[in-house]
Amino acid sequence: EIVLTQSSDFQSVTPKEKVTITCRASQNIGLSLHWYQQKPDQSPKLLIKYASQSVSGVPSRFSGSGSGTDFTLTINSLEAEDAATYYCHQSSTLPWTFGQGTKVEIK
Amino acid sequence: EVQLVESGGVLVQPGRSLRLSCTASGFTFDDYAMHWVRQAPGKGLEWVSGISSKSGSVGYADSVKGRFTISRDNAKNSLYLQMNSLKAEDTAFYYCTKRGNSPEWLLDDYFDSWGQGTLVTVSS
Repeated sequence: EIVLTQSSDFQSVTPKEKVTITCRASQNIGLSLHWYQQKPDQSPKLLIKYASQSVSGVPSRFSGSGSGTDFTLTINSLEAEDAATYYCHQSSTLPWTFGQGTKVEIK
Repeated sequence: EVQLVESGGVLVQPGRSLRLSCTASGFTFDDYAMHWVRQAPGKGLEWVSGISSKSGSVGYADSVKGRFTISRDNAKNSLYLQMNSLKAEDTAFYYCTKRGNSPEWLLDDYFDSWGQGTLVTVSS
């Protein structure tokens, strides 16, 4: 099973600040890495697909990068509405797995 | 607009059975693989099961293999999860999810739509 490890469980960030969340895979997954946002009491929402591809309707301040085993989700100029937990997910190898999540709190 | 609406989650005793349903709208249901993903309260996400668009192929996480059965009825735009021999560790929100592109459940693809979830609580 491929284990995805996100760099931190929690971040407290000031509005307009840049946020970086990293996700490391236990083996090479190419570009098969996706990012989701889950706000409190809501279901997850797709943010970025295949490491860096944008998703329709998602604000441009969200971007992704990386390949192989190391991936990054960047939120440029954090807004209050971005308070949420962010998960990475790999679709390279069964079983599909998720990172443990990174909760972003607005200071 | 894609809509996925789950139902069937309740409080159930260990060892009992339960059937979850998901009704889909806003897309051509029988063009896409569908999956169940669960989330224990306050915890992370866990893939549970997937089914191909025409029901020809299914897959399960090891944690539920042999106890859960996924199925779909394309005429009714519905996805199901039959859960038998339930355990306390099955307690979770169960989300119905749609694959972004694939008709096959095991191809490299993302989950582009999620339902609101239905809560299954397994407790005596």
